[in-house]
Amino acid sequence: KQEVTQIPAALSVPEGENLVLNCSFTDSAIYNLQWFRQDPGKGLTSLLLIQSSQREQTSGRLNASLDKSSGRSTLYIAASQPGDSATYLCAVSPNNNAGNMLTFGGGTRLMVKP
Amino acid sequence: GAGVSQSPRYKVAKRGQDVALRCDPISGHVSLFWYQQALGQGPEFLTYFQNEAQLDKSGLPSDRFFAERPEGSVSTLKIQRTQQEDSAVYLCASSLLGRAVTNEKLFFGSGTQLSVL
Repeated sequence: KQEVTQIPAALSVPEGENLVLNCSFTDSAIYNLQWFRQDPGKGLTSLLLIQSSQREQTSGRLNASLDKSSGRSTLYIAASQPGDSATYLCAVSPNNNAGNMLTFGGGTRLMVKP
Repeated sequence: GAGVSQSPRYKVAKRGQDVALRCDPISGHVSLFWYQQALGQGPEFLTYFQNEAQLDKSGLPSDRFFAERPEGSVSTLKIQRTQQEDSAVYLCASSLLGRAVTNEKLFFGSGTQLSVL
């Protein structure tokens, strides 16, 4: 059974810092990996999707990398802002025709202080 | 509608009561998913529909949980004889296409927060 782990569980940083969130998964037979953002009381917003054949994806100040063979992904946030405060979740899609039946990690709760 | 809509936003139930949670996906979206998110945890898959067909229900915790999507649009997740461990946020998500293996975007609703007393 696929297991997804995110470290750290919580992170507090001053505004302007660059930071890295980590995600690891036990079964490397994935179709893709996604990073989501969740604000309190809200649903999930997709940030980046990396296909299994790709190494990284970038969107603005966000960069996600994927090392499928070692079962790891990182989300890099440059020049963090208070508005980045949220919970960040990574999720993997199985490589068995299951599409968006995702397995999620427990999330990293990020607080960026002004 | 503009996004995935879920109702009610909050539901408080007494233990043993039946509840029904509603999901209105984005119009025209073929695929619909239900996830359960316990406090402080990531979401866990419950069930998946492609149009009106329930293709996978392997994540439903027990036979007290039942989901349907009779006309291929609105979906209802029903929980019978609720128990305290059912307390969680229930998230609905939809995506445009029905291909089993896809890189398309998944759109989530804001969820229904269920509290069982």
